Amino acid sequence: AQSVTQPDIHITVSEGASLELRCNYSYGATPYLFWYVQSPGQGLQLLLKYFSGDTLVQGIKGFEAEFKRSQSSFNLRKPSVHWSDAAEYFCAVVFMDSNYQLIWGAGTKLIIKP
Amino acid sequence: DTGVSQDPRHKITKRGQNVTFRCDPISEHNRLYWYRQTLGQGPEFLTYFQNEAQLEKSRLLSDRFSAERPKGSFSTLEIQRTEQGDSAMYLCASSLSLGAGLTDTQYFGPGTRLTVL
Repeated sequence: AQSVTQPDIHITVSEGASLELRCNYSYGATPYLFWYVQSPGQGLQLLLKYFSGDTLVQGIKGFEAEFKRSQSSFNLRKPSVHWSDAAEYFCAVVFMDSNYQLIWGAGTKLIIKP
Repeated sequence: DTGVSQDPRHKITKRGQNVTFRCDPISEHNRLYWYRQTLGQGPEFLTYFQNEAQLEKSRLLSDRFSAERPKGSFSTLEIQRTEQGDSAMYLCASSLSLGAGLTDTQYFGPGTRLTVL
């Protein structure tokens, strides 16, 4: 079955430090890729998405992600995190041969050290 | 654009009771999705509608669960004879379908947290 893996359950970084959250997906037809963020008590907010074209995509709140087909990865990055970035981050993938359903990773909880 | 709204935000019920949740999508969106999310997990797909037609249901959706979208606008999700295992966050999302063979971007509501005692 097609799947999405976020290898890190928790990540702790200092405020101002750089961030990279990993996302890998199982082999499948051309994927569409998404990153969402969920803050406590809030719904899932779309950070960015990749459908085609430039493999480096820019999102909201200073986030970016790079699609690497050879590594089946879509890692999320931010050069300098802020305390307000503390939240849970979800990677989600639509495989074109999976009835266009979103398949979700288990999430990575980001903790910011002051 | 007021976003996706869900009501209620929290629901506590006793085992065996029925509950109903409502979702109001973004007004021009023709697709509406229901998901369930438990702690430490990503959302699990339950069902989705295109306009008023329910096009897909997950195998996770037991016959105690039913969803409707009677006029192609708001949707309700009903759980009959609730069980403790139903305790979760129920998320609604909506999207504007771009056409056959194309994926679309889903926008999520804040969710309804259900606690079954």
